[in-house]
Amino acid sequence: DAMVIQNPRYQVTQFGKPVTLSCSQTLNHNVMYWYQQKSSQAPKLLFHYYDKDFNNEADTPDNFQSRRPNTSFCFLDIRSPGLGDAAMYLCATSLGTGNYGYTFGSGTRLTVV
Amino acid sequence: GQQVMQIPQYQHVQEGEDFTTYCNSSTTLSNIQWYKQRPGGHPVFLIQLVKSGEVKKQKRLTFQFGEAKKNSSLHITATQTTDVGTYFCAGRDGGYNKLIFGAGTRLAVHP
Repeated sequence: DAMVIQNPRYQVTQFGKPVTLSCSQTLNHNVMYWYQQKSSQAPKLLFHYYDKDFNNEADTPDNFQSRRPNTSFCFLDIRSPGLGDAAMYLCATSLGTGNYGYTFGSGTRLTVV
Repeated sequence: GQQVMQIPQYQHVQEGEDFTTYCNSSTTLSNIQWYKQRPGGHPVFLIQLVKSGEVKKQKRLTFQFGEAKKNSSLHITATQTTDVGTYFCAGRDGGYNKLIFGAGTRLAVHP
């Protein structure tokens, strides 16, 4: 089945130690998104790629970076995780940026110790 | 900036009762989408509304988009325990190519 896969499902990292979360998709969607979701809150968009075109949200901290080496894969790099970065990180895809629903992955729950 | 407000934050109902969550935007939306997130899960796309005044149904779920395209609602008739989860609306402002999520309504259904 076509899907969005996130690895790992759970990630524990040390304060200040760089961490990378990965997302892959078999849907061949053009757009890939990274959302941060904290407990009982709405998903917050960090950035998205339309194909190779990177779009950063104005309030996304510089600590967060992303790479999309090809259509199928997208990575979220947190250069120096702080305690406040502990959250669920959700990857989503859509066919385009118009009237298309998003397909979310199962998420990676990040714990910072 | 664009804001999408959703109420109520929580709703507890007895199984069989109806449930409604409301979504309001500070700007006119090009479309609105609804997602369901089960406890411990990820958001799952339910439906998209595009036209002013549009009403769509999925079994016991009824979705409405306001005439001014600034508000929307999700109504569940005769809730079941399988309806438990958080329901998010997400609006797309015509000027921005991104969805803005509401804070969600967490639904608890007591058997």
